[in-house]
Amino acid sequence: DQQVKQNSPSLSVQEGRISILNCDYTNSMFDYFLWYKKYPAEGPTFLISISSIKDKNEDGRFTVFLNKSAKHLSLHIVPSQPGDSAVYFCAASAIWTSNTGKLIFGQGTTLQVKP
Amino acid sequence: NAGVTQTPKFRVLKTGQSMTLLCAQDMNHEYMYWYRQDPGMGLRLIHYSVGEGTTAKGEVPDGYNVSRLKKQNFLLGLESAAPSQTSVYFCASSYTTGTSGGTSTDTQYFGPGTRLTVL
Repeated sequence: DQQVKQNSPSLSVQEGRISILNCDYTNSMFDYFLWYKKYPAEGPTFLISISSIKDKNEDGRFTVFLNKSAKHLSLHIVPSQPGDSAVYFCAASAIWTSNTGKLIFGQGTTLQVKP
Repeated sequence: NAGVTQTPKFRVLKTGQSMTLLCAQDMNHEYMYWYRQDPGMGLRLIHYSVGEGTTAKGEVPDGYNVSRLKKQNFLLGLESAAPSQTSVYFCASSYTTGTSGGTSTDTQYFGPGTRLTVL
């Protein structure tokens, strides 16, 4: 049972345009969401997060939107750069109800930004 | 400050052999985690630890054991390797879990990974 789903395995965008990566979850207990970025042969690196008490969090070119009623979050990258080409993982956690920090990851979306 | 390091980077085992993967962190983090990454599956939690001397099972614990004898180290053991354990293994650590005003100190920092092949 996949509690966190990234239904698009890959995405290709032109440099300078917007990249939108989507993530859906099923567990209503999740209250904290993160995006990680992963380059080949490296470990995932933290990108941006959002708590369930917010619906938007922005950090430079990266913005995460959370729609709790739809159990959906998205990552917007504007403008996209070739260096953004990587695999992006969505992850969720139930921080308030579980003091373990356990993250449930989606399958990942491979983003390719073309020059 | 090396962050999270993993040893070894690559390993090839024969079915039935045993091995231990070592994870070390120098950030004084309380929480440590072992994940495996398989194609199309994302990262799945194997075992985790919320402090020195404690361990707990994650999503896919079968065939693995762990130990956290020192706060900075988290070991993952395979007693009898199977081809199904061919994967890339990632260790991660975090300071703690807790939120304050919508922010969190729960960010997990990952090591570079260990690529394990079981023949």
